[in-house]
Amino acid sequence: DIQMTQSPSFLSASVGDRVTINCKASQNINKYLDWYQQKLGEAPKLLIYNTNSLHTGIPSRFSGSGSGTDFTLTISSLQPEDVATYFCLQHNSGWTFGGGTKLELK
Amino acid sequence: EVQLVESGGGLVQPGRSLKLSCAASGFTFSNYYMAWVRQAPKKGLEWVATISTSGSRTYYPDSVKGRFTISRDNAKSSLYLQMNSLKSEDTATYYCARLGAGSSWFAYWGQGTLVTVSS
Repeated sequence: DIQMTQSPSFLSASVGDRVTINCKASQNINKYLDWYQQKLGEAPKLLIYNTNSLHTGIPSRFSGSGSGTDFTLTISSLQPEDVATYFCLQHNSGWTFGGGTKLELK
Repeated sequence: EVQLVESGGGLVQPGRSLKLSCAASGFTFSNYYMAWVRQAPKKGLEWVATISTSGSRTYYPDSVKGRFTISRDNAKSSLYLQMNSLKSEDTATYYCARLGAGSSWFAYWGQGTLVTVSS
């Protein structure tokens, strides 16, 4: 089974900051890595699929990069509404989520 | 607009069964793979089951294989999850999700239904 290790688990940043969240797969997952945002009390929402494709309606300040085993979600300029927990998901072989990154405002 | 509405959650005793439903609208249901994902209280996300467009192929992680069964009725645009031999560790919010192209990412999610397994 593929394991997904997400880091950091917790992140505190200021409005306007550039924020990066990382996800590492236990084996090669090609480009099949997605990112989700979950706000408190809400269902998860797809942000990015297949490493770097932005889902419909998602602001361009969100971007993704990486390949193979190492992937990154970047928020270019943090906004107050971005406070949430972020999860990565591999769908190369079955489906496995990362443990999540809780993002708060400093 | 894609809409997924789960139902059927509730309190159930360990060892008993429960069936969840998901009503889909806003897209051609029969064209998409569907899935269930769960989230234990204050925990992360766990994939539970996926089903192909026709229902001929199903996929499960080891944690639920042999106990849970995913199914669909394309005529009713509905997805189901039959859960048997429930354990306390199955306590979670269960989300219905529509996949993207083919067997891929979880593109849209419902609001979830809470299942509590307790005596």
